[in-house]
Amino acid sequence: DTGVSQDPRHKITKRGQNVTFRCDPISEHNRLYWYRQTLGQGPEFLTYFQNEAQLEKSRLLSDRFSAERPKGSFSTLEIQRTEQGDSAMYLCASSKAGIFTDTQYFGPGTRLTVL
Amino acid sequence: AQKITQTQPGMFVQEKEAVTLDCTYDTSDPSYGLFWYKQPSSGEMIFLIYQGSYDQQNATEGRYSLNFQKARKSANLVISASQLGDSAMYFCAMMKGSARQLTFGSGTQLTVLP
Repeated sequence: DTGVSQDPRHKITKRGQNVTFRCDPISEHNRLYWYRQTLGQGPEFLTYFQNEAQLEKSRLLSDRFSAERPKGSFSTLEIQRTEQGDSAMYLCASSKAGIFTDTQYFGPGTRLTVL
Repeated sequence: AQKITQTQPGMFVQEKEAVTLDCTYDTSDPSYGLFWYKQPSSGEMIFLIYQGSYDQQNATEGRYSLNFQKARKSANLVISASQLGDSAMYFCAMMKGSARQLTFGSGTQLTVLP
């Protein structure tokens, strides 16, 4: 069973540039999540998809951030006009909808450094 | 607002001994789930164990068990027979009601000593 994959694993960019990250969930999982983790902190929720519908968005997801999941499979997270404060680990997770709750399985993350 | 508190920034344990990592939570919602994840230095979050608020028994998964005390709002992780490979950051997280987002604590860095 293939786990959640993310690409790229590392990204270094200059302030003001746009970056895009990709997440491929576990194949039978219909829910997909994006989190951001800064050094020494736990992950913070950004957004969540069920199939292709974006159902929840955090206030952390400013106008410069956009996420898509066009066919209900892989997802992309784009950050426009990057700022140094965007430097963080971006984690993707997926889950299969359950009756009460569903366990989220995480990918290896994309580490973004904005110079 | 829901909140997760992990009061131990760092813990040390001798190999083969048991260790307890503390987690307290705050929510007024009667329906919630509690999760523990392990994050090695490589960065990937690894799911360890889950406890639902309506579960009558404490969850166990191999060497991991969850000491769930609902009245005290605590969900401590117990690792038995520690191994060197258990050295990592451990995060407690909560999912509340019908919301899908996980709220994480600040983590505990566990170091297993040979």
